[in-house]
Amino acid sequence: EAGVTQFPSHSVIEKGQTVTLRCDPISGHDNLYWYRRVMGKEIKFLLHFVKESKQDESGMPNNRFLAERTGGTYSTLKVQPAELEDSGVYFCASSQVAGRGTGELFFGEGSRLTVL
Amino acid sequence: GDSVTQMEGPVTLSEEAFLTINCTYTATGYPSLFWYVQYPGEGLQLLLKATKADDKGSNKGFEATYRKETTSFHLEKGSVQVSDSAVYFCALSARNTGGFKTIFGAGTRLFVKA
Repeated sequence: EAGVTQFPSHSVIEKGQTVTLRCDPISGHDNLYWYRRVMGKEIKFLLHFVKESKQDESGMPNNRFLAERTGGTYSTLKVQPAELEDSGVYFCASSQVAGRGTGELFFGEGSRLTVL
Repeated sequence: GDSVTQMEGPVTLSEEAFLTINCTYTATGYPSLFWYVQYPGEGLQLLLKATKADDKGSNKGFEATYRKETTSFHLEKGSVQVSDSAVYFCALSARNTGGFKTIFGAGTRLFVKA
C-alpha cells in the first residue's frame, strides 16, 4: 500500500514568487492535514481537511496561503506571493475515517521550501 | 490551549547508553500521547503511543508511560544503537469537533556514536 507522498521534495524560489505543494494521502483516508516546521522549531498545524471540506484552518498564517482538496483526494497548498519567513518544511499527513481511532497520523516525507 | 514541551537537543550518546527524552504536556481534555521519529531523509513515522493514563507504549526497545499526575510522557531506551540517530517528536492528539487535532513538541535530535 502506498504511503503519503509529497511533491516537490525541495523547492527554492525567490521572494514574491508562487509555489504549489502537492500531497497524495493514503488511499481511503478521509483526514488530510498540513503542518509546517520552521528552523528546527515545533511542527505547527496549518489546516485539516475531512474529505474535500476544510474542517479547521485556524493554523493558516495569512491569506497568502491557499489549500485545496478537490474531490477529496489529493491536496495542494499554494503560497502566493512567498515571503522569506515562509521557508521551512511542509508536512502532509493523513489518517483514517473521521471521528474514529486515536488520532494516529501517517506522514509524507515533507516538502522543503526555501525562499531567497 | 493544549501544548507539548520536550527537552531541547541535540542529545549525544555513545552506543549502548541509556536514553531519556523528557516530554510534558498541557491539555484540557484526555488526549492520546505519541512519540514520532524522523530518520535522516525520511518522513515522520509513529514510534509508539498511549491512549489513556498509566498506559505504556513500546516499540523497538523504546518505552513511554502516560503519567496523568505529572502530565508527562518521557521516552526511554535502555541501550541505544547508532541506527537510533534521528529526531524524536512528542505529540498529543485530542478530539475536536472535526475529529482530532495533533500538537507537536519542538523535536529532540539524537546522535548516537559508535
